Amino acid sequence: AQSVSQHNHHVILSEAASLELGCNYSYGGTVNLFWYVQYPGQHLQLLLKYFSGDPLVKGIKGFEAEFIKSKFSFNLRKPSVQWSDTAEYFCAVSSNFGNEKLTFGTGTRLTIIP
Amino acid sequence: DAGVIQSPRHEVTEMGQEVTLRCKPISGHNSLFWYRQTMMRGLELLIYFNNNVPIDDSGMPEDRFSAKMPNASFSTLKIQPSEPRDSAVYFCASSSDRRQETQYFGPGTRLLVL
Repeated sequence: AQSVSQHNHHVILSEAASLELGCNYSYGGTVNLFWYVQYPGQHLQLLLKYFSGDPLVKGIKGFEAEFIKSKFSFNLRKPSVQWSDTAEYFCAVSSNFGNEKLTFGTGTRLTIIP
Repeated sequence: DAGVIQSPRHEVTEMGQEVTLRCKPISGHNSLFWYRQTMMRGLELLIYFNNNVPIDDSGMPEDRFSAKMPNASFSTLKIQPSEPRDSAVYFCASSSDRRQETQYFGPGTRLLVL
């Protein structure tokens, strides 16, 4: 069975700081990887996704993530955060075998201090 | 595109009452997912449908929960009888392509069972 670990439960940063949120997954086969964001009071939105090809994936709002297969990781990064990035961030994984089921991590709450 | 539509947005009910949550997926999407989000358990997949057929309902907590998808544009999640521990935000999501699996989420229904 698939599982996703997000080790940072709550991260607090000042504006302009650099961000890296960890995500590790457990699955023996080929995977699809996702980062979703949930702004306060809103629904989940897709930030970026990886299916195949270049392991460095660029998403919306200046976010990027790097798939490192040997480490089973898909960490999310942003060089300079803004107050508007305050949100909860979810890493998710699905198998690339045709099963559509997404398994989410527990989420990381990001608070940006102006 | 209107996106995934859910109703009601908020529901307050008393223990023992029947609750019905509704979802209209994005037109043309052939997969529909029901998730539950709580502080304790994070985001959990309850059930998903492909072409109106339930594919995986292993996440449905117990027999009090049931879900239907009578046609491609409508799904319901029913809880009967409801209990206080069912209080959560219930999200519906849909996707269009079986292998690419980008899921688009609705705004959610915030359920409070007293």
